[in-house]
Amino acid sequence: KAGVTQTPRYLIKTRGQQVTLSCSPISGHRSVSWYQQTPGQGLQFLFEYFSETQRNKGNFPGRFSGRQFSNSRSEMNVSTLELGDSALYLCASGWEESTDTQYFGPGTRLTVL
Amino acid sequence: AQSVTQPDIHITVSEGASLELRCNYSYGATPYLFWYVQSPGQGLQLLLKYFSGDTLVQGIKGFEAEFKRSQSSFNLRKPSVHWSDAAEYFCAVGRDPTGRRALTFGSGTRLQVQP
Repeated sequence: KAGVTQTPRYLIKTRGQQVTLSCSPISGHRSVSWYQQTPGQGLQFLFEYFSETQRNKGNFPGRFSGRQFSNSRSEMNVSTLELGDSALYLCASGWEESTDTQYFGPGTRLTVL
Repeated sequence: AQSVTQPDIHITVSEGASLELRCNYSYGATPYLFWYVQSPGQGLQLLLKYFSGDTLVQGIKGFEAEFKRSQSSFNLRKPSVHWSDAAEYFCAVGRDPTGRRALTFGSGTRLQVQP
């Protein structure tokens, strides 16, 4: 099975712009979660989608949003970018609901100038 | 509040030496526990996981971890480290402080391997 794929791998934006990141989960997985990784805050949960519905949301401002499509692919959008949004954004997919196992993609490195 | 602590920020071992990375968690019940590894510029790779049963779990790349309920610990071990093991290692529990299904990670331990 192919793993979790994320596009693009690298992205450079300027403050005030918006950005959309994409994630394709492992075939058969219906859950997609997003995490932000920064040197200062570490790995933080953004949100989880399951069967096109947002099931959980972390403590991030409303500028961070996402959605999931019927084929389980997910997109994450960040509007009005700030310098502090520079981070590695990781997508994880899973299907083993009772065991919480999640498999991560390679991430998208976002740099905000 | 639920938390995961990795007390060692940075560890250096010689190639061929044994390794133990520490992880302590704070959680009301027995959580699902995970170890992930991250190489520079890469995503997270699952090494192993514990849900219930045998407290010693085997993972990929020769790693194992032992769950000790009395110590709230889930330490990662490897008998003989290879240079390719140099990476950052993250311990995680399968729920966040509010009980939601969201991985809560420790701050990570960076492993350096000396030749």
